[in-house]
Amino acid sequence: GAGVSQSPSNKVTEKGKDVELRCDPISGHTALYWYRQSLGQGLEFLIYFQGNSAPDKSGLPSDRFSAERTGGSVSTLTIQRTQQEDSAVYLCASSRSGTDSNQPQHFGDGTRLSIL
Amino acid sequence: AQRVTQPEKLLSVFKGAPVELKCNYSYSGSPELFWYVQYSRQRLQLLLRHISRESIKGFTADLNKGETSFHLKKPFAQEEDSAMYYCALGPEAIGNNRLAFGKGNQVVVIP
Repeated sequence: GAGVSQSPSNKVTEKGKDVELRCDPISGHTALYWYRQSLGQGLEFLIYFQGNSAPDKSGLPSDRFSAERTGGSVSTLTIQRTQQEDSAVYLCASSRSGTDSNQPQHFGDGTRLSIL
Repeated sequence: AQRVTQPEKLLSVFKGAPVELKCNYSYSGSPELFWYVQYSRQRLQLLLRHISRESIKGFTADLNKGETSFHLKKPFAQEEDSAMYYCALGPEAIGNNRLAFGKGNQVVVIP
């Protein structure tokens, strides 16, 4: 595709429900990243995939958060038993290579998650 | 630990005035530094990176290792420069090709 695609663009759900966020990276990009953008907190790194493996999960805030990537392409970020503090914009980015720092990260539009 | 510091949350400048966004980082080695910008209703995008040493949309940023700074500057602000700006460090300083972002600067250019 032309760019990183994320769905849904907006998600409103009740506290305690599970949510699944999807990211479709740019075709051919092997590296994929999830970030969280909260008001006043900037961008917080969550997880990084190189291919289908996640060498760095250190940013996941709790065990309610998990992510997977299949076929070296689409990734899903799952939040179980959502809490109000999970409300944020979840951004996905991809880059051509996870090992070449000269390759910039391209971001999607994000999913705005609101927990009631 | 906060690796990237952007001290001013909101910066208002008049059109035609100079604008400078401060960014300081924590890393003792040779850093890789970036500025990302997010215009209203648009996605976050790369503005410039220090390795390119280029000027984009009139913006420049110089790496000062002695002061561990990478301030973004533009001599004459335009209305279309109103946006959110993020300074980022990485990935060698951070590991695993991740970027560490500052908390961002909201720039408002007053006509």
